[in-house]
Amino acid sequence: AQSVTQLDSQVPVFEEAPVELRCNYSSSVSVYLFWYVQYPNQGLQLLLKYLSGSTLVKGINGFEAEFNKSQTSFHLRKPSVHISDTAEYFCAVTPYNQGGKLIFGQGTELSVKP
Amino acid sequence: DAGVIQSPRHEVTEMGQEVTLRCKPISGHNSLFWYRQTMMRGLELLIYFNNNVPIDDSGMPEDRFSAKMPNASFSTLKIQPSEPRDSAVYFCASSPWGAGTDTQYFGPGTRLTVL
Repeated sequence: AQSVTQLDSQVPVFEEAPVELRCNYSSSVSVYLFWYVQYPNQGLQLLLKYLSGSTLVKGINGFEAEFNKSQTSFHLRKPSVHISDTAEYFCAVTPYNQGGKLIFGQGTELSVKP
Repeated sequence: DAGVIQSPRHEVTEMGQEVTLRCKPISGHNSLFWYRQTMMRGLELLIYFNNNVPIDDSGMPEDRFSAKMPNASFSTLKIQPSEPRDSAVYFCASSPWGAGTDTQYFGPGTRLTVL
C-alpha cells in the first residue's frame, strides 16, 4: 500500500519570501510523483510531476520540486511567492503498476500575506 | 477545449433522497475518475474508468454509491439513499490514457449537502 504525508497543514508566509512545502511518501513499489494546486472554489490543476530522469523538476508559476529517493521525499519550493499563490497544495503518488490511481496527501494550505 | 464539465455545481437534498452527479470529460480522453473531498478524509478516489469500463471501484464507500459511464462523453455518480455523511465536494477528472504518467484534469466539483 502507498501513503503520502504532507508535514505541514498550514504555511503562512509573507509576499516575496521563499517557501517550501514538504511531502514524504511510503510505497513498496516505485511511484510517479505529482504536485497539484487547488485555488478557492476550483478543481485541482497540475503544478509539476516527476516521472524519471533529473530529480529536479520545474513546473508552472515558478514552482519546482526535488525528488529524493533515499528520503522518499518530494518537497515543493518557490524562491519568491506572490499573493496569487495563496491556495491549497496537494502532493500525490501513482504506483507504476496501478494505472492512473492517484493517492493524495492531506494538503497544505499556503497563505501569502502582504 | 471547455475542460471537464460537472453538474450541478451545488446540490442540497434531504436524507433519503436520490442524488445524481454528472460529468462530461475532455473530448478524446480515455479515462475518467471520481473523487470525494472532505475535511476529515481529504481527497479519495472512488472509482475510475478506462474506455468506459470500470477498472477500480475499491474506493466506493458502500452499495448506496454507484457509477456508470454509458459512453465516452458522459458519466454519472449516484447516491441512493443519501445520508448526511455523504456531504462533500465530488470531483470528476479525466486523463488521456489512464496511465500512471498522465496528468489528470479536474472539473470544478459538485458541492453536495445532505440535510
